[in-house]
Amino acid sequence: DSGVTQTPKHLITATGQRVTLRCSPRSGDLSVYWYQQSLDQGLQFLIQYYNGEERAKGNILERFSAQQFPDLHSELNLSSLELGDSALYFCASSVGTGKGEQYFGPGTRLTVT
Amino acid sequence: GEDVEQSLFLSVREGDSSVINCTYTDSSSTYLYWYKQEPGAGLQLLTYIFSNMDMKQDQRLTVLLNKKDKHLSLRIADTQTGDSAIYFCAESISGGYQKVTFGTGTKLQVIP
Repeated sequence: DSGVTQTPKHLITATGQRVTLRCSPRSGDLSVYWYQQSLDQGLQFLIQYYNGEERAKGNILERFSAQQFPDLHSELNLSSLELGDSALYFCASSVGTGKGEQYFGPGTRLTVT
Repeated sequence: GEDVEQSLFLSVREGDSSVINCTYTDSSSTYLYWYKQEPGAGLQLLTYIFSNMDMKQDQRLTVLLNKKDKHLSLRIADTQTGDSAIYFCAESISGGYQKVTFGTGTKLQVIP
């Protein structure tokens, strides 16, 4: 158990809908990262937050957004969903921003039908 | 830009050593990592090496870094069936923020 929690575990929704994925980092970790893992694209870095502020952006679509709240939990919002958005979404956390010792949550499996 | 490459698949017999290889392109990498992903689970950090090191050993795991060739390897001694998983190599570059780039992953199959 990494100490990172993600909800929900599974999500099935229809195209065009909007969903919110939630992540609680390990106690004491200030950084939260979001990743998308799909069969054809591998593991893609989406976005990083550190202590409430956006720090780095990867291959995140404009339809997707995220935020980190004062209690350090984070939410990833996915809107206007398309079939191709079906994937595993992982959240990871780390103490700071200097190293890559990231601790991953169990993931949310999103299926868009 | 950053690019991290790995072979897709490796099959070994139980008890043998496994060597998983990775190449990266960014010479300003600060840390290099190995993660393990078991089926249906998130990634688990196995070990990491700072870019000024050549080797790091941790029980059955040995990491070798050839910075000149930008080549990283993970050796698993006495491979067990529980080692069957996907192994991801990753690099990070520090510079005000940390961005980690993951490789494509190598699926290790251990044959009993």
